[in-house]
Amino acid sequence: DTEVTQTPKHLVMGMTNKKSLKCEQHMGHRAMYWYKQKAKKPPELMFVYSYEKLSINESVPSRFSPECPNSSLLNLHLHALQPEDSALYLCASSVLAFNNEQFFGPGTRLTVL
Amino acid sequence: TQLLEQSPQFLSIQEGENLTVYCNSSSVFSSLQWYRQEPGEGPVLLVTVVTGGEVKKLKRLTFQFGDARKDSSLHITAAQTGDTGLYLCAGEGGTSGTYKYIFGTGTRLKVLA
Repeated sequence: DTEVTQTPKHLVMGMTNKKSLKCEQHMGHRAMYWYKQKAKKPPELMFVYSYEKLSINESVPSRFSPECPNSSLLNLHLHALQPEDSALYLCASSVLAFNNEQFFGPGTRLTVL
Repeated sequence: TQLLEQSPQFLSIQEGENLTVYCNSSSVFSSLQWYRQEPGEGPVLLVTVVTGGEVKKLKRLTFQFGDARKDSSLHITAAQTGDTGLYLCAGEGGTSGTYKYIFGTGTRLKVLA
């Protein structure tokens, strides 16, 4: 299995909702990442997990809460988001952290109303 | 944080034409990756260049890393409609010992039949 999968594909939520994005990979990669991509812009790194531990938080607001339950799964919990948080959220994995060859999932298109 | 500037920003060409996309920085990168991203999907890794002056070929795509490892180029020969997409260079651009994987500003390519 050489895929990174993400669910849901699309998500619409209100500013008071709590939702979660899920990411899964079965390539045995030990690093996983969350990126945010606004329209017409390149992806921006949010979080890096290495061996299921948070290694890097790029000063992301606390309304985004990542979780890595095991080496194959990565979640992003969302709470009290703002309309400007609407974006494509991409998950990626790599063999090891800071190995720059990353494999991306298809993303979750998030709309905050 | 180091920056990666890509040019051109947009490119619209006819099928069969050749094109070159540039990725430039004022800083040295230990390696650079090139990705292609289609609308609504995650970036797909095309290649990694590591050694200054390195040239790598992937079918009709030729990637080059500058001698000083500050720039890279992607040349497509006889473009096809399937080459349409957003081309992104990326690399590890953190400063002061911090890790930050950054993407270039992107080149949006449209190949017309």
